[in-house]
Amino acid sequence: SAVISQKPSRDICQRGTSLTIQCQVDSQVTMMFWYRQQPGQSLTLIATANQGSEATYESGFVIDKFPISRPNLTFSTLTVSNMSPEDSSIYLCSVFGGAPKNIQYFGAGTRLSVL
Amino acid sequence: DQQVKQNSPSLSVQEGRISILNCDYTNSMFDYFLWYKKYPAEGPTFLISISSIKDKNEDGRFTVFLNKSAKHLSLHIVPSQPGDSAVYFCAASGSNYQLIWGAGTKLIIKP
Repeated sequence: SAVISQKPSRDICQRGTSLTIQCQVDSQVTMMFWYRQQPGQSLTLIATANQGSEATYESGFVIDKFPISRPNLTFSTLTVSNMSPEDSSIYLCSVFGGAPKNIQYFGAGTRLSVL
Repeated sequence: DQQVKQNSPSLSVQEGRISILNCDYTNSMFDYFLWYKKYPAEGPTFLISISSIKDKNEDGRFTVFLNKSAKHLSLHIVPSQPGDSAVYFCAASGSNYQLIWGAGTKLIIKP
């Protein structure tokens, strides 16, 4: 399995500002995933970040709102831009751990509150 | 359109008894199913998985059963322990890498 460090663990932000979340993995991985978990809800995939190419966003998520960087095979950032209270969620990054297929390993998450 | 459903938001079980968590899915193309456990302030932790070619997979106290005809899977925990109190998520995937998640079931183990 992979060890994933995510920063910050939590933050309280003002409406209209932006927050960048960092995700560091202890091994090189091709794909990194960014999820959102709104209060009382399930996990929703925001985008898939591949090193050396543009991130692939899921329906309902756009690059202007959630820009992603993937400068190398062990690191990625997700920015939540122009925040509103509706962006208050837990944001999680994950990676594949290898065989068996499709098992993803997660960081501890970033708990974001927007006032 | 919820492709993966966990209809019980919460479940309370006496310590030492069996906990049974249920999950239903609608997409017959799903061929791999996973259970994750999540504690507050932590990310989801992989627990156990099952391929669609099997109907049962066991790992210690945890067993997952798959009924493909009913598009239903269940996670059995026996015996239940206080440390099992957490939110349990069911997830499914098909030919691509994407995981589709259920809404989660909060399991409470009573001493």
